[in-house]
Amino acid sequence: AQKITQTQPGMFVQEKEAVTLDCTYDTSDQSYGLFWYKQPSSGEMIFLIYQGSYDEQNATEGRYSLNFQKARKSANLVISASQLGDSAMYFCAMRESINSGGSNYKLTFGKGTLLTVNP
Amino acid sequence: EAEVAQSPRYKITEKSQAVAFWCDPISGHATLYWYRQILGQGPELLVQFQDESVVDDSQLPKDRFSAERLKGVDSTLKIQPAELGDSAMYLCASSLAEGYEQYFGPGTRLTVT
Repeated sequence: AQKITQTQPGMFVQEKEAVTLDCTYDTSDQSYGLFWYKQPSSGEMIFLIYQGSYDEQNATEGRYSLNFQKARKSANLVISASQLGDSAMYFCAMRESINSGGSNYKLTFGKGTLLTVNP
Repeated sequence: EAEVAQSPRYKITEKSQAVAFWCDPISGHATLYWYRQILGQGPELLVQFQDESVVDDSQLPKDRFSAERLKGVDSTLKIQPAELGDSAMYLCASSLAEGYEQYFGPGTRLTVT
């Protein structure tokens, strides 16, 4: 079963508008973390924002915010005031422990959403 | 600004040949990761090091892939022999410690012919 699901293969948004990229996750861990990364056509993965499972407030980082709904197991990325340079693949990822002691972690990525910002 | 370095950026090799990739993490980062990313998919973890020790290599095809981080700094990923299905982007990442945000290098795009 997929642990990270990104249901939108592609999204379009007009420049200066806001856009929401969906991400749902599946885990039985109580402690976990959610990350969003941006991958432009050049290929490099760029860290955008992080939300811990115990964080009560939604994470924000400049124009990026994470709409974290724990009960629904969703961690959607909101980009405000879209810019042409935001056109890229966006990946949601989940950190979870890989051993019962909880001292080792791995990151599992979704399949990504291709965002295109139109002028 | 500190970056993760990778080389080469591009590699074309024939099947059955050996190929090696190199990664130099951000200074002071204890954890190093190698990912494989097939076109149109998210990165998949191949191997994870904490200093010089392997933490997780459950997805590494050990019959042909090997990875080392001998002094706990830079790392090498090797494929021998390469197969057509190995064509992909190979990404290296590092983090201050396990569980922290990971910073990625530019990747090595491998084409096996």
